[in-house]
Amino acid sequence: DAGITQSPRYKITETGRQVTLMCHQTWSHSYMFWYRQDLGHGLRLIYYSAAADITDKGEVPDGYVVSRSKTENFPLTLESATRSQTSVYFCASGASGKGDEQFFGPGTRLTVL
Amino acid sequence: GNSVTQMEGPVTLSEEAFLTINCTYTATGYPSLFWYVQYPGEGLQLLLKATKADDKGSNKGFEATYRKETTSFHLEKGSVQVSDSAVYFCALRFTGGGNKLTFGTGTQLKVEL
Repeated sequence: DAGITQSPRYKITETGRQVTLMCHQTWSHSYMFWYRQDLGHGLRLIYYSAAADITDKGEVPDGYVVSRSKTENFPLTLESATRSQTSVYFCASGASGKGDEQFFGPGTRLTVL
Repeated sequence: GNSVTQMEGPVTLSEEAFLTINCTYTATGYPSLFWYVQYPGEGLQLLLKATKADDKGSNKGFEATYRKETTSFHLEKGSVQVSDSAVYFCALRFTGGGNKLTFGTGTQLKVEL
């Protein structure tokens, strides 16, 4: 299927566990992003990647790890989940032109107990 | 730094009413401006955009004009429908920032019959 997909769509985990959220896009966009959405904060950028093997921190990177070995995949790992990481996580991808939009995945709702 | 400020929600309107959602920004240089919409349970999707001053973005009856003198990008629609009920996000992409977007906190719109 063309587009951007995320898995799982819903995840419940416990404090201290490692969790990996997957993101896959089929457009060969150079840029990929991870955001978290929390009430009252809108979307906040966690990490982004300009190309394979190039990643950089966003606004709220603490507690998260990313990698990008292939252009189409951009997994986000919570190495030791905390309750404050309960959120909805969105992956997005986009090209690099001035007016190029970002395309968003459907989101992963993560609950940390 | 770069920031986006949106009017607080929720905004509740009757069907066929006129809609304005205010958005102002702070940025250096000449950012591109975007409005995204998020329907319940879904990811964000681009509604409209403008890449330079005085540009007007439009889509699905929604419009917004890039006003550099007032640093604003207010979203308007002449006659809203129940199906327009969603959360609307204003965002900017700043010059030299790669493809990163800075989002406002979102404004929830509820349209009633």
